[in-house]
Order: sequence, then C-alpha cells, then structure tokens
Amino acid sequence: GENVEQHPSTLSVQEGDSAVIKCTYSDSASNYFPWYKQELGKRPQLIIDIRSNVGEKKDQRIAVTLNKTAKHFSLHITETQPEDSAVYFCAATLGGYGQNFVFGPGTRLSVLP
Amino acid sequence: DGGITQSPKYLFRKEGQNVTLSCEQNLNHDAMYWYRQDPGQGLRLIYYSQIVNDFQKGDIAEGYSVSREKKESFPLTVTSAQKNPTAFYLCASTPGRANEKLFFGSGTQLSVL
Repeated sequence: GENVEQHPSTLSVQEGDSAVIKCTYSDSASNYFPWYKQELGKRPQLIIDIRSNVGEKKDQRIAVTLNKTAKHFSLHITETQPEDSAVYFCAATLGGYGQNFVFGPGTRLSVLP
Repeated sequence: DGGITQSPKYLFRKEGQNVTLSCEQNLNHDAMYWYRQDPGQGLRLIYYSQIVNDFQKGDIAEGYSVSREKKESFPLTVTSAQKNPTAFYLCASTPGRANEKLFFGSGTQLSVL
C-alpha cells in the first residue's frame, strides 16, 4: 500500500524567509496530492493541491511542485508571515476516493517575527 | 462557522466506559469519514461511510463503532475495547464517493481519566 513520509517534522524560519516542506510517496499510481494547514485547535484546511499530470501549481505565496519520477512533492511558502505558523500535512491518494488518502505525519512550522 | 460540526470539543473517558463523538454536516455530502490523529503521526482512517445505512472499516477500526442512520450524521463510539483511546479525532466529508475534496470538522480531543 501507499506510504507517505514528510520532512522536516519541525521548521523554524524568520518572517519574510521562505519555507519548504517535502513529502515522498511510495505508490507510483497515486495521482492526487493535497496539502492541508492546521492551526492550533482548528480544523485542517486544504491550501493547495496538485494532480499527477501537472509539475507545478502556484497560488499567491504558496506553490507545490511534483516530481513523479522521484515520487516526491514539495510545498513552498514564500515571504512567510506569523500567520503561516501551523502544522502542515501532505497526502497522496489514488483516484477520487476519500478513503484512499494516506497522510504524512505533519510539519510544525514556526515563523519567528 | 457551518459545514461540519463536531462535539464535544473535549471528552474524558473512564476505564471501561463507552463514549460517543458526534459529527453533523449540513453540506449535503454523501461520504463521511472518521480519522484519528496522534502526535507525530499522519491521520489514520477509522471508519468511512459512502451512503446512508452503509459503512466500512478503515485501517484502525478495532475498538470503534459507527452508525449512519441519517445523511447528516456519522457518530463514532469509542468502546471499552479500545485500550489506547487518547487522541484527537477528526470527522470529514466529501461531496461524493469519488471526490477528493475533504472537508474537516474542528475535532474532538479524547482523554482517559
């Protein structure tokens, strides 16, 4: 079955710097890769996603890149702000079925003012 | 905010006791899911339901039970057979059986007295 690893587990950056979180997956058939942000005590929210037929997707300060050959995808946050502080976790899934999601363990990002 | 409502926010269980976590959604979503979140681990699927009166075991169903008598409701019972119930429990839903857009509730923290 699918296995998703995520690194680093914690990340501290200075406000204004960039942050990069990387996930690797094992099942080459996986074709949908979302990223979720979970602020302390709040629900996880989808912030960006990418499908296997695309190499990169960008939404303002957030971007995701996918390398299908190496089976890894990364979240890039530029010009970080204190409100970016949260736990970020990735997932990989095959097809469109919610029960097939496999989640990474999460990265706690701290943006220092 | 609306969408998916989980209650209570905090719950304490005594040894040998069954407890029920509530999950209600007003999104008219067909599929609903229960995940368990432990520190340093990815979300793990407990049970899911794609349609009323039908549900399936996920990866860690032992010690848990669910029901889906109404489209809007998917309660999770943590039974006394679950020996390590302390965790954060997240309910989620998707619009259809084959739709990747997971919408999460705000979670219930269950602790053992």
